[in-house]
Amino acid sequence: GAVVSQHPSRVICKSGTSVKIECRSLDFQATTMFWYRQFPKQSLMLMATSNEGSKATYEQGVEKDKFLINHASLTLSTLTVTSAHPEDSSFYICSARGGQLNYGYTFGSGTRLTVV
Amino acid sequence: SQKIEQNSEALNIQEGKTATLTCNYTNYSPAYLQWYRQDPGRGPVFLLLIRENEKEKRKERLKVTFDTTLKQSLFHITASQPADSATYLCAPNDYKLSFGAGTTVTVRA
Repeated sequence: GAVVSQHPSRVICKSGTSVKIECRSLDFQATTMFWYRQFPKQSLMLMATSNEGSKATYEQGVEKDKFLINHASLTLSTLTVTSAHPEDSSFYICSARGGQLNYGYTFGSGTRLTVV
Repeated sequence: SQKIEQNSEALNIQEGKTATLTCNYTNYSPAYLQWYRQDPGRGPVFLLLIRENEKEKRKERLKVTFDTTLKQSLFHITASQPADSATYLCAPNDYKLSFGAGTTVTVRA
């Protein structure tokens, strides 16, 4: 089945630095990928839609200059958290649809970001 | 605005019993509704998708119903096992998925 690989799984960074998270579709091409954020004991919140070869579209309230998304190929989307602050500490997850709608969406394993 | 509600935050049941989870949505009419399972510290895993013209769908010990009049889906885990312990999320749409808060199921041996 469709596999989405996400790296790193955990990252700790200092406040003010930037962190890049990668999301790769391993056995399919993904023209569209989605990025979510999940705080403890809360549900996933869609942050942005990543489109191959074009600009990402961001959900209301998500700062596009803070969360930079690049989707330069059909198998790779990256999310860069710029000038990270402790409040950006969260669980970030990407997803894509690897096949027919009947098979739903495939999610990466997530990245636990801790900003100290 | 769209709103998705899952019946309870937590559900504790005895092994072998049936767990029933509820997903209600308001202010829109999705053509599809999906259910996912999420284990702690992991991304969600797709379980089932049901279309608006389908009343019921089954997959092994899982059963999903979709009532577009009530704007509700029921998710059943029959003959539950401790390995079914997880958080279950509903997503009443098929693109740019929005999720309910989830129901955490704990199955006691």
